[in-house]
Amino acid sequence: DAGVTQSPTHLIKTRGQQVTLRCSPISGHKSVSWYQQVLGQGPQFIFQYYEKEERGRGNFPDRFSARQFPNYSSELNVNALLLGDSALYLCASSAGLVGQPQHFGDGTRLSIL
Amino acid sequence: GENVEQHPSTLSVQEGDSAVIKCTYSDSASNYFPWYKQELGKRPQLIIDIRSNVGEKKDQRIAVTLNKTAKHFSLHITETQPEDSAVYFCAASRGTGNQFYFGTGTSLTVIP
Repeated sequence: DAGVTQSPTHLIKTRGQQVTLRCSPISGHKSVSWYQQVLGQGPQFIFQYYEKEERGRGNFPDRFSARQFPNYSSELNVNALLLGDSALYLCASSAGLVGQPQHFGDGTRLSIL
Repeated sequence: GENVEQHPSTLSVQEGDSAVIKCTYSDSASNYFPWYKQELGKRPQLIIDIRSNVGEKKDQRIAVTLNKTAKHFSLHITETQPEDSAVYFCAASRGTGNQFYFGTGTSLTVIP
C-alpha cells in the first residue's frame, strides 16, 4: 500500500498570494492532520479532520483553512501569505480519531519571497 | 494547552554506546506518547510509542519508559549505530483527539 502522499513537493510564492496543498492518506485511514514544521523545530499542529469534519484546530490565524473530501484526501489553504509562513507543511494520517499512530507524508516545502 | 519539553537538543555518542533522550509534558490528560525519527530532508518516521497504561516498551535496540506521576518519558537507544544519526522528536497526545504536541527535537550524532 502507498503511504501518505503530498503535493506539490516544493512551492515558491510571494507575499500576499494564496496557496493550496494537497494530501492523500494511507488507504483506509479516515483521519488527516496538518502540521507546520519550521527549520530546527518540531512540527506544530494546525488542523485535524476526521470523517470530513474538523476535529481540532491549533493556534494558527484564520488565514489557514482546510477541508477533507469524501475519499478522505485533504487540502490545506493559506491566504495572504507572509514571509513567516515559509516552512515544511506535513500531512499525517491515522486510522482513528483518538490515540492512534500518525504516519507522515514527505511534506510540501513552501518558500515565501 | 499541552507543553512538551525535550532534552538535550544535541547529543553525540560513540558507536556502540547508549543514547537517552528525555521529554516532559504538562497535561495530565495526555495518554499517548510516540517517538519519531527524522533524517535530513525526510519525513518523520514513527519508531516506537507508549500508552499511559504501560510503564515501558521495548523494540529491539529501542525502548521507551513513561513516568505518569512525574509526567516524563524517555527514549533509550542501545548499541548505537551510525545510521541512528538523525533528529528525534517526542510527542504527546490527549485522549480527546489525535492532535500531537511535539518537543523541539534532539539531534543525535553517532560517531563511528
